[in-house]
Amino acid sequence: EIVLTQSPATLSLSPGERATLSCRASQSVSSFLAWYQQKPGQAPTLLIYAASNRATGIPARFSGSGSGTDFTLTISSLEPEDFALYYCQQRSNWPLTFGGGTKVETK
Amino acid sequence: DVQLLESGGGLVQPGGSLRLSCAASGITFSNYDMNWVRQAPGQGLEWVSAISGGGGSTYYADSVKGRFTISRDNSKNTLFLQMNSLRAEDTAVYYCAKSKGLSWYYFDYWGQGTLVTVSS
Repeated sequence: EIVLTQSPATLSLSPGERATLSCRASQSVSSFLAWYQQKPGQAPTLLIYAASNRATGIPARFSGSGSGTDFTLTISSLEPEDFALYYCQQRSNWPLTFGGGTKVETK
Repeated sequence: DVQLLESGGGLVQPGGSLRLSCAASGITFSNYDMNWVRQAPGQGLEWVSAISGGGGSTYYADSVKGRFTISRDNSKNTLFLQMNSLRAEDTAVYYCAKSKGLSWYYFDYWGQGTLVTVSS
């Protein structure tokens, strides 16, 4: 099973600041990685797929990069609605796995 | 507009069974692989099971293999999860999630979730 490790667990930032979230895989997943946002009481929303492709309707301030074992989700300038939980997910190997999540909170 | 509507959750005793359903609309259902993802209270996301568009291929997390069965009825645009031998650790919100495309196991649409509680 591929283990995805997200860091940091919590990121404390202010609106307007840049957020950089990391996801590291225990073995190469090529570019088969996605990022999701989840707000309290809601289902997750797909942000990025195939490491760097924005999903439909996702603002340009969200970007993804990386390949192999190291991936980054960047939010260029945090909006109030961006404070939430973020998960990475790999589809390279069965079973599909998620990272443990990074919480982006208001400083 | 794509909609996924889960049903069938509830309270069940350890060792019991439950069948979840997910009714899809706004898509050509058979064109998409489908999935179940769960989230225990206060915890992260865990993929549970997937099924190919035609239903011929199924995949399971080790934690549910042999106890859960995923299936679909493409004539009724409905996805199912039969859960047997339920354990306390199966307590979670269960989400139905659509794959972005055939063999593209990224989840681009999710239902609102249905809560399964396993307790005596």
